[in-house]
Amino acid sequence: EAQVTQNPRYLITVTGKKLTVTCSQNMNHEYMSWYRQDPGLGLRQIYYSMNVEVTDKGDVPEGYKVSRKEKRNFPLILESPSPNQTSLYFCASSDAQYFSSYNEQFFGPGTRLTVL
Amino acid sequence: GDSVTQMEGPVTLSEEAFLTINCTYTATGYPSLFWYVQYPGEGLQLLLKATKADDKGSNKGFEATYRKETTSFHLEKGSVQVSDSAVYFCALPNTGNQFYFGTGTSLTVIP
Repeated sequence: EAQVTQNPRYLITVTGKKLTVTCSQNMNHEYMSWYRQDPGLGLRQIYYSMNVEVTDKGDVPEGYKVSRKEKRNFPLILESPSPNQTSLYFCASSDAQYFSSYNEQFFGPGTRLTVL
Repeated sequence: GDSVTQMEGPVTLSEEAFLTINCTYTATGYPSLFWYVQYPGEGLQLLLKATKADDKGSNKGFEATYRKETTSFHLEKGSVQVSDSAVYFCALPNTGNQFYFGTGTSLTVIP
């Protein structure tokens, strides 16, 4: 089954404790992206990657890191989480060919993060 | 810069009512436009899309027409069902491969 998986689905942590949210897709997609969803703000893009070893900042990259060492994986790293990073996070992937014009993104189920 | 503006919710309708959710955009050039839907507790999924001006996207009884002259992509459905209760997002990509979503419109359909 074609899918995007995220782990963990729920996480409660404390300020300053490094964490990683994993994302994996099995569709051989070039494009992968991370979003955060906050009430009244919709989805905002954190980082995206057009292919292995290629990553770019989205609208809200501060406090986050990503890496793309393999095509299927795109982990999101919070090196020193703060309470304002409490949010619902989504990973997504897409076939990058003709990305801007045609292709939909496939979303993971989300990770609800609480930073105390 | 590129952006999407959606009508604010929440929207509550009775079953079989007509639905319109407004979406306007600002963009360089003429990007594809998308509507995504998020059912409770789930990730987003594509509802419909349109790739050029005057295109009409449609799926599951929903429709949206890409209007270049009014820079709009309003979502409509003639008769909503309880199962349509969800959050709806208008979205567009920019030429730099970033993706912009609206703030989302929550729809509740009551029997």
